[in-house]
Amino acid sequence: NAGVTQTPKFQVLKTGQSMTLQCAQDMNHNSMYWYRQDPGMGLRLIYYSASEGTTDKGEVPNGYNVSRLNKREFSLRLESAAPSQTSVYFCASTLVGTSGLLNTGELFFGEGSRLTVL
Amino acid sequence: GENVEQHPSTLSVQEGDSAVIKCTYSDSASNYFPWYKQELGKGPQLIIDIRSNVGEKKDQRIAVTLNKTAKHFSLHITETQPEDSAVYFCAVNFNKFYFGSGTKLNVKP
Repeated sequence: NAGVTQTPKFQVLKTGQSMTLQCAQDMNHNSMYWYRQDPGMGLRLIYYSASEGTTDKGEVPNGYNVSRLNKREFSLRLESAAPSQTSVYFCASTLVGTSGLLNTGELFFGEGSRLTVL
Repeated sequence: GENVEQHPSTLSVQEGDSAVIKCTYSDSASNYFPWYKQELGKGPQLIIDIRSNVGEKKDQRIAVTLNKTAKHFSLHITETQPEDSAVYFCAVNFNKFYFGSGTKLNVKP
């Protein structure tokens, strides 16, 4: 049982290049998330997918696109990388909780993808 | 969206002492308040959580308290050990999870 798997773990890009971060979970979770982590700023939500076929913007979606390919996979694409996108990116998943409409489930995180844009 | 403030940003304690980290949030509809621990080079992991119908929850050396009226909750770690050294994040749910900015805890042996 691998949990949440992210690839690649490290990547260096030049400004303007594009790339896709891949994420897959094997826990049959419904919801998947992409966060970025910057020093002193905690984890900021980029995009979110409540279920297969749906995506929603988070706090910092500009410069990113996402695809929920199927229930297992949720990818994050940088179309034209900028130095401000240098960060550590985390994918997470959760089995949505049942407390009304609010999500009360545990988030399971991948190990992160460290991206540097020169 | 939700506004989550976490304090302090860094905390240094002597082994065996207690550590307290506090978070405040803005949306009174939030009803689930987890705490995550992140070790160096790894993703965050859930260590304890509390739901809005409970004021306090304890799990061995860690506890979380919730004051829903004041919209704040705290993580308490007693008898700290060097392996408690990590970054701790609070989170609040409001259809998605919003995280605090993190507290780097250093436990000195």
